[in-house]
Amino acid sequence: DIQMTQSPSSLSASVGDRVTITCRASQSINNYFNWYQQKPGKAPKLLIYAASSLQSGVPSRFGGSGSRTDFTLTISSVQPEDSATYYCQQSHSTPLTFGGGTKVEIK
Amino acid sequence: QVQLVESGGGVVQPGRSLRLSCAASGFTFSRYGIHWVRQTPGKGLEWVAVIWYDGSNKDYADSVKGRFTISRDNSKNTLYLQMNSLRAEDTAVYYCARDMYDSTLGGGMDVWGQGTTVTVSS
Repeated sequence: DIQMTQSPSSLSASVGDRVTITCRASQSINNYFNWYQQKPGKAPKLLIYAASSLQSGVPSRFGGSGSRTDFTLTISSVQPEDSATYYCQQSHSTPLTFGGGTKVEIK
Repeated sequence: QVQLVESGGGVVQPGRSLRLSCAASGFTFSRYGIHWVRQTPGKGLEWVAVIWYDGSNKDYADSVKGRFTISRDNSKNTLYLQMNSLRAEDTAVYYCARDMYDSTLGGGMDVWGQGTTVTVSS
């Protein structure tokens, strides 16, 4: 199974800060990689697919980069509504696997 | 409006069975693979199973293999998850989610249901 290691597990940021979350796959997954945002009591929402493609309707302050094993989610100027937990996920092969999540708190 | 709506969750005793349903609307259901993903209280996300757009292939997490069965009825735009021999560790919110690519897999999950809660307890 492909393990997804996400860091940090939590962070606190001020409005306008640049936020970076990283995820490492235990083996190469090319760009079969996705980021999700989940708010309490809600289903996850797809933010970034294929490592760097912005899902329709997602604000442009969200960006994804990376390939093979190392990936990054960047929020260029974090907003209060970005308070959520973020998950990475590989879609290269089953069993599909998710990272442990990063809880983003806005100060 | 593109939508998935789960149903069928509830409280069940260990060893018993439950069937979840996921009703799709607003898109051509028969063209997309669909996943089940679960989330235990306060924990992260765990992929459970996937079925190809035409039902020709299915795959499962090891934790449910042999106990859970994923199926679909494209004439009814509905996905199912038959869960047998339930264990306490199957307690979770279960989501169905669409694989974003038409007629193949490997994309992100772009449409999610609201989730249905399964509690396995005596």
